[in-house]
Amino acid sequence: EAGVAQSPRYKIIEKRQSVAFWCNPISGHATLYWYQQILGQGPKLLIQFQNNGVVDDSQLPKDRFSAERLKGVDSTLKIQPAKLEDSAVYLCASSKVSGSENIQYFGAGTRLSVL
Amino acid sequence: GQQVMQIPQYQHVQEGEDFTTYCNSSTTLSNIQWYKQRPGGHPVFLIQLVKSGEVKKQKRLTFQFGEAKKNSSLHITATQTTDVGTYFCAGPRGGGSYIPTFGRGTSLIVHP
Repeated sequence: EAGVAQSPRYKIIEKRQSVAFWCNPISGHATLYWYQQILGQGPKLLIQFQNNGVVDDSQLPKDRFSAERLKGVDSTLKIQPAKLEDSAVYLCASSKVSGSENIQYFGAGTRLSVL
Repeated sequence: GQQVMQIPQYQHVQEGEDFTTYCNSSTTLSNIQWYKQRPGGHPVFLIQLVKSGEVKKQKRLTFQFGEAKKNSSLHITATQTTDVGTYFCAGPRGGGSYIPTFGRGTSLIVHP
């Protein structure tokens, strides 16, 4: 079974530039998450999708971050414009929620450096 | 919202020594999950505990869920260099949500 695919693996941009990340979840997983992981910290949820609908985006900085999952499969996360404090690893995860069995499968992540 | 606190933040051990990390919550958790993240890698699910007082073992790893379902621990017996990484606990956010909220993690460094 293929895992969660993310691209690119690395991205270096200057502040105020835009960047986009792509994620393809495990086949059959209806739920998709985007996390931000700053060095030395645990993953922080940015947004959760159930199929193509947003379930939770309470921690997404909506003035600069946006995400979509138009066909309920692939998803993109965009930052526009980027700030220095956005430097982090952006992790995508998917799960096949079954009651409380919410096991998350993570992709390799995109490491973003904002200069 | 729900927060889980982990201690210690770092732990250095000699290969062969035991290691324990603790996870604490101010509220009762419906379940708790443990993940491992190798250096440069991504979190990988290890186990989920659901029942009060539950103990589960995976080879040298022993996971416990407290009787009050507010704390949990991960114990590794006779650490090996392959155990190096950061161990995260994650508890549901609460309010009916199943979204795990991650602790800050405990980074284990094993010296050969």
